[in-house]
Amino acid sequence: DVKVTQSSRYLVKRTGEKVFLECVQDMDHENMFWYRQDPGLGLRLIYFSYDVKMKEKGDIPEGYSVSREKKERFSLILESASTNQTSMYLCASSLRRGPYEQYFGPGTRLTVT
Amino acid sequence: SQQGEEDPQALSIQEGENATMNCSYKTSINNLQWYRQNSGRGLVHLILIRSNEREKHSGRLRVTLDTSKKSSSLLITASRAADTASYFCANAGGTSYGKLTFGQGTILTVHP
Repeated sequence: DVKVTQSSRYLVKRTGEKVFLECVQDMDHENMFWYRQDPGLGLRLIYFSYDVKMKEKGDIPEGYSVSREKKERFSLILESASTNQTSMYLCASSLRRGPYEQYFGPGTRLTVT
Repeated sequence: SQQGEEDPQALSIQEGENATMNCSYKTSINNLQWYRQNSGRGLVHLILIRSNEREKHSGRLRVTLDTSKKSSSLLITASRAADTASYFCANAGGTSYGKLTFGQGTILTVHP
């Protein structure tokens, strides 16, 4: 079974802090994704990566950056956390580039105070 | 971004009944995928239907696709309390990267 893990289930940070969310997948998938999920807005794609050191902006990249130094790990960085970044963050991976099914991690509920 | 829309937004049924959820999308698709999310957890992939398919089954799940109407439906037969969850459709559009555009989901509650 594919396993996607996220570093924290719950996280509380203060406004202005730099926040790192880590995601690791164990099935040698090429594609990895970061989403945020908010009530009434569904899942929105922040960034994705189809290869090591490659990244592409999703629909809402502002205020975020990503890092993919190793194939299995994809990090989401909030450079200076703001209260409007309070959300559920979901990481996902898929086998390779293309319209394949995605495997999701359990999510990180981030609260910025 | 353009997002799909699920209908209804919430559905409440008794165990043993069938549950039907609908999804409309706006752009062309390569395939349409359905996911389930239990409360506060990640999404789990349920079923994928390709653009050249009209119907697909997996256990108690039946998915239909009508590309002329840009719509899909998910039927769960003989529902169980454990089916209580949010259900999302996701449009795998024409890009080569594998981006999915998710609908806002249907919250299904199955009462024992």
